[in-house]
Amino acid sequence: AQTVTQSQPEMSVQEAETVTLSCTYDTSESDYYLFWYKQPPSRQMILVIRQEAYKQQNATENRFSVNFQKAAKSFSLKISDSQLGDAAMYFCAYTEVNYQLIWGAGTKLIIKP
Amino acid sequence: DGGITQSPKYLFRKEGQNVTLSCEQNLNHDAMYWYRQDPGQGLRLIYYSQIVNDFQKGDIAEGYSVSREKKESFPLTVTSAQKNPTAFYLCASSPDIRDEQFFGPGTRLTVL
Repeated sequence: AQTVTQSQPEMSVQEAETVTLSCTYDTSESDYYLFWYKQPPSRQMILVIRQEAYKQQNATENRFSVNFQKAAKSFSLKISDSQLGDAAMYFCAYTEVNYQLIWGAGTKLIIKP
Repeated sequence: DGGITQSPKYLFRKEGQNVTLSCEQNLNHDAMYWYRQDPGQGLRLIYYSQIVNDFQKGDIAEGYSVSREKKESFPLTVTSAQKNPTAFYLCASSPDIRDEQFFGPGTRLTVL
């Protein structure tokens, strides 16, 4: 069965520094999509970034970028210049062959002022 | 404004009662989803619908039912058969089933 693993239950970073959240997944497919979602204390789920597996170039959205290693099945999220508003749960997700999203358990990100 | 609304934000239910959670979207999305989130866990898919009048079971459909009579609406009924219904419920939609999903604000259901 397809799975998504986030090995860091909690991470903390000093404001303005850079932090990387890890995610690995298991699949036998060659074409799929990967996502990072953010869930702040309000519990509203917000899309942070998206990566298509057929694209070799890593996706970037302002301060957020990914390191997509297809062979290693790794999809880490890098947050540069961390801000207090970045504090949230971060979930990695992957589209399964029948297009259902498979979710990791999440990483709680703490920003220290 | 376009978006997804869920109501109510908080819902209390007595054991043995059915309860229906509302989800409405005005984004003209074909696909809609219901997820359950428990503390310390990721999201688990309850049901999804790719198109009006069609829906499929997700990983944890037992004790739940849905309908998709209109494109904009995808209500979820939590029945008395659901053994542990206390949880946070999130509704989402996407242009089609492979696109990124947009989420509503969620409903917190507590069984008393």
